[in-house]
Amino acid sequence: RKEVEQDPGPFNVPEGATVAFNCTYSNSASQSFFWYRQDCRKEPKLLMSVYSSGNEDGRFTAQLNRASQYISLLIRDSKLSDSATYLCVGGSSNTGKLIFGQGTTLQVKP
Amino acid sequence: NAGVMQNPRHLVRRRGQEARLRCSPMKGHSHVYWYRQLPEEGLKFMVYLQKENIIDESGMPKERFSAEFPKEGPSILRIQQVVRGDSAAYFCASSPPGSGVQPQHFGDGTRLSIL
Repeated sequence: RKEVEQDPGPFNVPEGATVAFNCTYSNSASQSFFWYRQDCRKEPKLLMSVYSSGNEDGRFTAQLNRASQYISLLIRDSKLSDSATYLCVGGSSNTGKLIFGQGTTLQVKP
Repeated sequence: NAGVMQNPRHLVRRRGQEARLRCSPMKGHSHVYWYRQLPEEGLKFMVYLQKENIIDESGMPKERFSAEFPKEGPSILRIQQVVRGDSAAYFCASSPPGSGVQPQHFGDGTRLSIL
């Protein structure tokens, strides 16, 4: 079983739609989580950190459920520019390294 | 540009040659990480370094691959006697010192092609 698992998609949605991505992790030692965005296999860019209390940044909301080992990302009012691959990432302070999920591909259509 | 700098952006090597990939972390960052992304796959951790120390190399292939982060100069990922299967995008990331897991910031990557 992969340490971080995501549905690869693709998710095809119209502009303005709300879309949610889910991610599960298997290593309970993972302490910190992030969502990164990757466009056309360019460098990953940090989208947001994920906290148990949930955090929101504009149209993006991330949530962590430690009991279920589950992370989510919600994108409201999708834009064409949101089309990308979204990477769910876990990290442990024991090792410092990040473990990446396979990524979920989002395609926003006009 | 204060971001993570990687060079070269593209590198072509013939089988059996050596590939050297360089990474300069963001200013103020003392932790460097190397990741590899094979075609159609996700990013896989290779190695984590601090100045003059390898902290975690659990993701490095046992042979032909080595990494260093000297006191002066960039971090180097070195691949000896390259094979076709080494063709991939190699990303470097850096993070500042501090407790807990810090978000990592990535360079543009080096696309390595083996002929």
